Amino acid sequence: QQPVQSPQAVILREGEDAVINCSSSKALYSVHWYRQKHGEAPVFLMILLKGGEQKGHEKISASFNEKKQQSSLYLTASQLSYSGTYFCGTEMNSGYALNFGKGTSLLVTP
Amino acid sequence: EAGVAQSPRYKIIEKRQSVAFWCNPISGHATLYWYQQILGQGPKLLIQFQNNGVVDDSQLPKDRFSAERLKGVDSTLKIQPAKLEDSAVYLCASSYGEASGTQYFGPGTRLLVL
Repeated sequence: QQPVQSPQAVILREGEDAVINCSSSKALYSVHWYRQKHGEAPVFLMILLKGGEQKGHEKISASFNEKKQQSSLYLTASQLSYSGTYFCGTEMNSGYALNFGKGTSLLVTP
Repeated sequence: EAGVAQSPRYKIIEKRQSVAFWCNPISGHATLYWYQQILGQGPKLLIQFQNNGVVDDSQLPKDRFSAERLKGVDSTLKIQPAKLEDSAVYLCASSYGEASGTQYFGPGTRLLVL
């Protein structure tokens, strides 16, 4: 079951904040976030396991609301290097492969 | 630590031809995945190996796609015969164990079928 990401695209000025959402209609075991730059492989950002924990990675953090089966990725004080496409990958049970969303394209401008 | 290696990086073939991709995962990683990523979309799992056994190949078009992971290390993905709609990036990823772990992606093979 492919998760739904929103928004599809975001344009920010350097220093602005953004939130990317990932929703599933099925109960999830974990949510994985990746960033992919044009022509490159997806790069791992973080994993969130069920339990509603929040994690951080530099100025990028994420949360997982188990009741809503929704994860949100927070990018604060965005930098030019944050530009790329962000994918969430959802896992139904431990050890299962990921179902990836269609991605959110983020462009940070000077 | 060396990352996931894939070859070739680019391949152009005509429809009905065959093609093979190779992947060498990070050393010690038991789980290996092949994904297909069509332009503008997220990666879609084709097959998942745990050591040299298949865990999930439910989305692999078995009439034309095949994959193997002999000796539980490197893997090959083959398409025979190729169709126009197979044009995509084929990504290989690996993770350490069978539990929810970080998947590390290789650079991918860009396939264009003419």
